Amino acid sequence: GAGVSQSPSNKVTEKGKDVELRCDPISGHTALYWYRQRLGQGLEFLIYFQGNSAPDKSGLPSDRFSAERTGESVSTLTIQRTQQEDSAVYLCASSASLGSYNEQFFGPGTRLTVL
Amino acid sequence: AQSVTQPDIHITVSEGASLELRCNYSYGATPYLFWYVQSPGQGLQLLLKYFSGDTLVQGIKGFEAEFKRSQSSFNLRKPSVHWSDAAEYFCADNNAGNMLTFGGGTRLMVKP
Repeated sequence: GAGVSQSPSNKVTEKGKDVELRCDPISGHTALYWYRQRLGQGLEFLIYFQGNSAPDKSGLPSDRFSAERTGESVSTLTIQRTQQEDSAVYLCASSASLGSYNEQFFGPGTRLTVL
Repeated sequence: AQSVTQPDIHITVSEGASLELRCNYSYGATPYLFWYVQSPGQGLQLLLKYFSGDTLVQGIKGFEAEFKRSQSSFNLRKPSVHWSDAAEYFCADNNAGNMLTFGGGTRLMVKP
């Protein structure tokens, strides 16, 4: 079946603009995660959703970042008033459910460049 | 807080040579450890994982890893590297049961 998909694959924006990044998880996966990968660094957790529970937003770096998920499907990560330090690859992952045993399947990422 | 450390930022090996990528974790309880590979322009692909049981785990693409509690390590190995193995490798822990905590990554280059 289809894997995790993300759009757009690349996004170039000007400082101060808002951007929306989209993630389509694997069908039937109840857990969805967003991570950020800055150049030359590892992945940082941003937020996760599990079913209809309140999301864990503990990794969001500032109140300019927000995310939504419609049921157990598409998620959108929104960055308002983008800054140059927001430039990174944003990766989405999904898993069958929460839990340490559950493999997280990653999408190809969205490369965001803030000029 | 739990953390994962990959001491080597870059490693270069010759094709056909053996490979070992180091990973250390800090959490005291039994960790849930993963190795992922990221090829250029691609998402992360799971190579292998360890939860419990046999401390030597086999993964895809001929990789294996050994969990050593006494050394807090989970090193990735491959007996003979192929040029297609050139990529970035990430060790990660999911002890919290939700998000993965990643190491900084090791970039592998393969010389012909």
